[in-house]
Amino acid sequence: GQQLNQSPQSMFIQEGEDVSMNCTSSSIFNTWLWYKQDPGEGPVLLIALYKAGELTSNGRLTAQFGITRKDSFLNISASIPSDVGIYFCAGDNFGNEKLTFGTGTRLTIIP
Amino acid sequence: GAVVSQHPSRVICKSGTSVKIECRSLDFQATTMFWYRQFPKQSLMLMATSNEGSKATYEQGVEKDKFLINHASLTLSTLTVTSAHPEDSSFYICSAPLRGQETQYFGPGTRLLVL
Repeated sequence: GQQLNQSPQSMFIQEGEDVSMNCTSSSIFNTWLWYKQDPGEGPVLLIALYKAGELTSNGRLTAQFGITRKDSFLNISASIPSDVGIYFCAGDNFGNEKLTFGTGTRLTIIP
Repeated sequence: GAVVSQHPSRVICKSGTSVKIECRSLDFQATTMFWYRQFPKQSLMLMATSNEGSKATYEQGVEKDKFLINHASLTLSTLTVTSAHPEDSSFYICSAPLRGQETQYFGPGTRLLVL
């Protein structure tokens, strides 16, 4: 099936650094979601975006819904060890609730 | 947030046997649930949409006779992997949308290992 392209594929950062990742699609989505998945667990919802141009924060996380509705980015400020994991973006096609997932960004924090 | 549970969390079975995985929405009703499969180091791939009171709809390439889905109630969907083979070994995850919020909540996943 279709997938969204996420970049970077992986990131190695030091604790305290800021993180930025993005997600692009050839198709328009009307809802963008960002999830975090820890090993052996299901994805946990971080941020939901419903409107083109929308900028939403959740603690140290900030995400934006691109104006073209074909992209989104997620920023994490002042990273901490528990931020380690895989981050997925997901798009919803016009309310049919079927999510298309991104390829994922694996975040590793170097001690 | 809404809670979705899955049972079992992991299962090991012999090739040729069938395995049933349950997905429950614990504090909300879900007329629709989704089943995903995730292979190691890959993203989630949608397998099928489970519909309460009607047949499931399957994504292209997913065998409906092999992956039986039953949406028994507004809070329970089951996925049965029939005649499992080693290539069916994967991480199976369900999700349920929460109406009004237009978001989906995921279960903790079920790791299936077929020997």
